[in-house]
Amino acid sequence: EDKVVQSPLSLVVHEGDTVTLNCSYEVTNFRSLLWYKQEKKAPTFLFMLTSSGIEKKSGRLSSILDKKELFSILNITATQTGDSAVYLCAARPRNAGGTSYGKLTFGQGTILTVHP
Amino acid sequence: DAGVTQSPTHLIKTRGQQVTLRCSPKSGHDTVSWYQQALGQGPQFIFQYYEEEERQRGNFPDRFSGHQFPNYSSELNVNALLLGDSALYLCASSLLRDAGNEQYFGPGTRLTVT
Repeated sequence: EDKVVQSPLSLVVHEGDTVTLNCSYEVTNFRSLLWYKQEKKAPTFLFMLTSSGIEKKSGRLSSILDKKELFSILNITATQTGDSAVYLCAARPRNAGGTSYGKLTFGQGTILTVHP
Repeated sequence: DAGVTQSPTHLIKTRGQQVTLRCSPKSGHDTVSWYQQALGQGPQFIFQYYEEEERQRGNFPDRFSGHQFPNYSSELNVNALLLGDSALYLCASSLLRDAGNEQYFGPGTRLTVT
């Protein structure tokens, strides 16, 4: 059975701190690893990682995938109170024909709280 | 560009009742997936619809069923509701042939079973 585990489960920091969120996965026919930010309801997309060792960046957020060790990290530098949210990672398998059949397997999420 | 929409936003039902949740995918998307997110947990995959057929299914009982319409919108039906069905139900849409495209999530329907 496919499995995704995130750590830590919760994290409390102060504005300006740098945080690293971890995600490990065991997925049959793995294709890609996705990170989402969930503030109230709808998870919003952050990154999709398919290749090992290539860092993706968006502002103060960055992420990288290690397909040999089966994990990914999400870094947030110079945290702000607006970064407070649940961060979810999800693994997507490869499907026949290269289609994007959905079945994302999510981790339980990391609750990040940033205090002013 | 309209994103994924879901209705209703909140719903309260009694054990044993049936419920129908609705989802309209993002414009241009043809595939709809449904997820159940219990409090404090990550979303769990229920099933996915494409071309009006269920294509993949997670570990959910037959009480959970769905439908996709010709305009790509979708419904999730849950029969014989249990207290444990209380959760946030998320709909996500994507374009099947774009394997590099991420899934876009709707705001969800909060279902409470009493």
